[in-house]
Amino acid sequence: DTEVTQTPKHLVMGMTNKKSLKCEQHMGHRAMYWYKQKAKKPPELMFVYSYEKLSINESVPSRFSPECPNSSLLNLHLHALQPEDSALYLCASSQGGIDGYTFGSGTRLTVV
Amino acid sequence: QKEVEQNSGPLSVPEGAIASLNCTYSDRGSQSFFWYRQYSGKSPELIMFIYSNGDKEDGRFTAQLNKASQYVSLLIRDSQPSDSATYLCAVKSGGFKTIFGAGTRLFVKA
Repeated sequence: DTEVTQTPKHLVMGMTNKKSLKCEQHMGHRAMYWYKQKAKKPPELMFVYSYEKLSINESVPSRFSPECPNSSLLNLHLHALQPEDSALYLCASSQGGIDGYTFGSGTRLTVV
Repeated sequence: QKEVEQNSGPLSVPEGAIASLNCTYSDRGSQSFFWYRQYSGKSPELIMFIYSNGDKEDGRFTAQLNKASQYVSLLIRDSQPSDSATYLCAVKSGGFKTIFGAGTRLFVKA
């Protein structure tokens, strides 16, 4: 299995809603990532988990809350988002160190 | 501030030609270098990685690295319309953090 699976593919939420994005990989990768990508911009790193522990938080607002229940799963909990948070949210995994990423297909989030 | 610079394009080449994409980076301690292809509305896909100075070939793709000049390039031979996409250069300096360039849009005209 060489895939990273993200759900849902599309999400529309109101500014008072709470929702979660999910990501799963079965490649035995030890690092998992959340990226945010706006149109015509490169991916921006949000969080990195290494061996199920949060190792990097790129000063992301607390309305985004990551969780890594086990080595295969990564969640991103969303609460009280703003319209400017609308973007493509990408999950990725890597063996770590010098390796490249395998990205999931992303969740297209719209905040209304 | 670590930076990765790319020409945003668009770069337009005729079908069958060689497309040359370039990237420079600021951190001399960078250790690994990647090219990702991203089709419109899709997620990035890793197509090449290179760790050592010189050339690395994989099918129609060649990655070139010159650490002294802090320069990475991607050559696409026999370009096809299906190669039309945004190509993201990415650099790792150790650890888990990757810095992405803004991407170069490539159009291959049939």
